[in-house]
Amino acid sequence: DAGITQSPRHKVTETGTPVTLRCHQTENHRYMYWYRQDPGHGLRLIHYSYGVKDTDKGEVSDGYSVSRSKTEDFLLTLESATSSQTSVYFCAINGQGNNEQFFGPGTRLTVL
Amino acid sequence: GQSLEQPSEVTAVEGAIVQINCTYQTSGFYGLSWYQQHDGGAPTFLSYNALDGLEETGRFSSFLSRSDSYGYLLLQELQMKDSASYFCASGGSQGNLIFGKGTKLSVKP
Repeated sequence: DAGITQSPRHKVTETGTPVTLRCHQTENHRYMYWYRQDPGHGLRLIHYSYGVKDTDKGEVSDGYSVSRSKTEDFLLTLESATSSQTSVYFCAINGQGNNEQFFGPGTRLTVL
Repeated sequence: GQSLEQPSEVTAVEGAIVQINCTYQTSGFYGLSWYQQHDGGAPTFLSYNALDGLEETGRFSSFLSRSDSYGYLLLQELQMKDSASYFCASGGSQGNLIFGKGTKLSVKP
């Protein structure tokens, strides 16, 4: 158990509403990542963090923002949700190396 | 940019050996990782190759050839529980991984 949790696990929201997903880790890891997974696209990196208040964009960052005010928490915010952001969102932390990542259980988000 | 290509589906029978290939194009290379994901579950780390050659972990092995920009995952003595999607991934020095689109392995009795 890598000590990583996500909340909520499921959410249904309407287009135009703000949504925040939370990732919490108990392992004191420096690096944290947010991915989305869609059929036919595999996993795609949205944003990642390499320390408190240190974040960078991934390959599909448009429409998303992140914040990391504490080592253990990494928040993903959709400022104004759109139907194209319906997806399963996974948070991850690094293991022994940055290529070895441990994933949280995922959040299934539906935007109507 | 970076991209990783792998077959979309593979079918094999219980007890057999299957190889899942991955070819990649990267602007900077920090090794090749493999992940397994069962339906409805989260991806789990299987192996990582930083250097050329074969890495063995039980029934699973992973191979890398950097000169050919190619790697593969080898699964031996297939079991029904190996039915899952398998992803190759590569990325930058900060673990900002790019994933292939995944190979769905179906193991038949």
